[in-house]
Amino acid sequence: GAVVSQHPSRVICKSGTSVKIECRSLDFQATTMFWYRQFPKKSLMLMATSNEGSKATYEQGVEKDKFLINHASLTLSTLTVTSAHPEDSSFYICSARMGGQEAFFGQGTRLTVV
Amino acid sequence: KQEVTQIPAALSVPEGENLVLNCSFTDSAIYNLQWFRQDPGKGLTSLLLIQSSQREQTSGRLNASLDKSSGRSTLYIAASQPGDSATYLCAVRADKLIFGTGTRLQVFP
Repeated sequence: GAVVSQHPSRVICKSGTSVKIECRSLDFQATTMFWYRQFPKKSLMLMATSNEGSKATYEQGVEKDKFLINHASLTLSTLTVTSAHPEDSSFYICSARMGGQEAFFGQGTRLTVV
Repeated sequence: KQEVTQIPAALSVPEGENLVLNCSFTDSAIYNLQWFRQDPGKGLTSLLLIQSSQREQTSGRLNASLDKSSGRSTLYIAASQPGDSATYLCAVRADKLIFGTGTRLQVFP
């Protein structure tokens, strides 16, 4: 299957700082990318959907000013957690899809805010 | 709003048993259904994808069925092994992929 690379795999940041997570499709053009959040021992919760060149569509209850999503190219989307707080600590996973094809997932990023 | 539920939430069995994991969804207007495996602290591994027009898919010891009209899918694991221990997630796709609540499986020797 296609490869989606997510970076970093782990990050620790201080409360109040911002952190950026990258999601790259390595061998295909991702017209749509999705960002998920996963709490310990819980399922994946969809945060937002982004189409290349367009503003992201956020799910209900997700603060768009808190979680900034940029999808400026067909191979890269970024999620920036702004002014992070301990409650933002979580596992974040991206997925990428070309058109109506199957979506492929990144390896996830473990964010810890101290 | 699509809701995806998995039963049981957790399962612990001795190796060798045949297992059935259940997934139900509330909106049958889906393109496909996918089963994933997730190891602790890791990303997702896709196991099987069933298109809405299909009834089942098989890969090795895994068999997944889909009854779209009733909003149900089952994942059958034959002759379970300790290496099968993981969390299993089903996900349904319409315009976006919505995940189920997951089943945590432990297979002990």
